[in-house]
Amino acid sequence: EVQLVQSGAEVKKPGESLKISCKGSGYSFSSYYIAWVRQMPGKGLEWMGIIYPGDSYDFYIRYSPSFQGQVTLSVDKSISTAYLQWSSLKASDTAMYYCVRHRSGISDFIDYWGQGTLVTVSS
Amino acid sequence: QSVLTQPPSVSGAPGQRLTISCTGSSSNIGAGYEVHWYQQFPGTAPKLLIYNTNSRPSGVPDRFSGSKSGTSASLAITGLQAEDEADYYCQSYDSSLNGYLVFGGGTKLTVL
Repeated sequence: EVQLVQSGAEVKKPGESLKISCKGSGYSFSSYYIAWVRQMPGKGLEWMGIIYPGDSYDFYIRYSPSFQGQVTLSVDKSISTAYLQWSSLKASDTAMYYCVRHRSGISDFIDYWGQGTLVTVSS
Repeated sequence: QSVLTQPPSVSGAPGQRLTISCTGSSSNIGAGYEVHWYQQFPGTAPKLLIYNTNSRPSGVPDRFSGSKSGTSASLAITGLQAEDEADYYCQSYDSSLNGYLVFGGGTKLTVL
């Protein structure tokens, strides 16, 4: 069974850094893209970016224009875990963040979702 | 402002058929990219409902179906049930600005 298990909820202050995680299991982690999706309170879904673990030391990473420079995606293949990090959080980063398995090929879509990590940024 | 446009809400009585529209542009749906649909219940993660316009993952009832024409797509639900009350999101691929996934703003389905 494919599972994406995310780290727990976080409460941070503006200006702090944060790294949340997503551990994949039940499939070949290196063979599928991982993406991150933001859902702000009461709002819709926003695709943030994608990372492909692959078989080499170089990871393919692409960011949505809206999130380029705002967050950093990374992955540790040795423990089948993907990460989303911020260097300086803002109140507007308050949202639920989902890691997802992004299917790419003839078409691009999301076939599995993590349970979500709620990030709250407040002074 | 979402790249794909959906009605904010739709409603219907049990047993009815209803549709949810998703309108895009020439850089996404109109360019021939597939449309996918997700269902989200309050407090839970979304779930894949329809992929590649009209394919259902295992376990999704055949009451759900999708279609696409030009720059728009639709999700149809027949034999509406109370358990269908949820938020529905369409998604496609957009070729502008290096390409990325785009979503509709979501449609809240209420079963009367």
